Amino acid sequence: DTAVSQTPKYLVTQMGNDKSIKCEQNLGHDTMYWYKQDSKKFLKIMFSYNNKELIINETVPNRFSPKSPDKAHLNLHINSLELGDSAVYFCASSQDTRTTHPGELFFGEGSRLTVL
Amino acid sequence: QKEVEQDPGPLSVPEGAIVSLNCTYSNSAFQYFMWYRQYSRKGPELLMYTYSSGNKEDGRFTAQVDKSSKYISLFIRDSQPSDSATYLCAMSARTGGFKTIFGAGTRLFVKA
Repeated sequence: DTAVSQTPKYLVTQMGNDKSIKCEQNLGHDTMYWYKQDSKKFLKIMFSYNNKELIINETVPNRFSPKSPDKAHLNLHINSLELGDSAVYFCASSQDTRTTHPGELFFGEGSRLTVL
Repeated sequence: QKEVEQDPGPLSVPEGAIVSLNCTYSNSAFQYFMWYRQYSRKGPELLMYTYSSGNKEDGRFTAQVDKSSKYISLFIRDSQPSDSATYLCAMSARTGGFKTIFGAGTRLFVKA
């Protein structure tokens, strides 16, 4: 039973299109994240939600909009896709980070986005 | 300057070698230090977790943190081909919630 699952695993699309990636965790965690990993393997945080509340919002273009319908789900919608958006997007979850260190981040397997 | 610097490699070693992986950082507020391992086409998985300075050992893996030098290391003894992966250092500080910052990752190849 997968702890953090993302769909789709692969996305190939044209510039200018809009796409969404979905993430679900069954670990009972309060905090979920989106990370972007570029071609050089650099993993950079984009957003973090704690129990549906946005707590980290890095310098990310407005074209990226996260949504958390409940604490087990965190989706990422990307408008007007650009070539530079090509990357692997990882969803992760952890225990509540507001007052204690989360310890381990549990990652999904990633969603590989290719913008042509 | 990035908050966390890590040599991306690749690093190629023969089976059985001792591997040393390192990261430096600039933010003295970092208190929690982690190493993640990422196999190809998979998500990162936590390998080692340490708080503040000192050493921690787990089987063939030893993590060291030197906060005075802002330098962390991961040692792998008796390396195996199955250790071939990308190793990412990560660290976090208590600033408005804990944000985990990752290094660029070092690609390791262990040759049989």
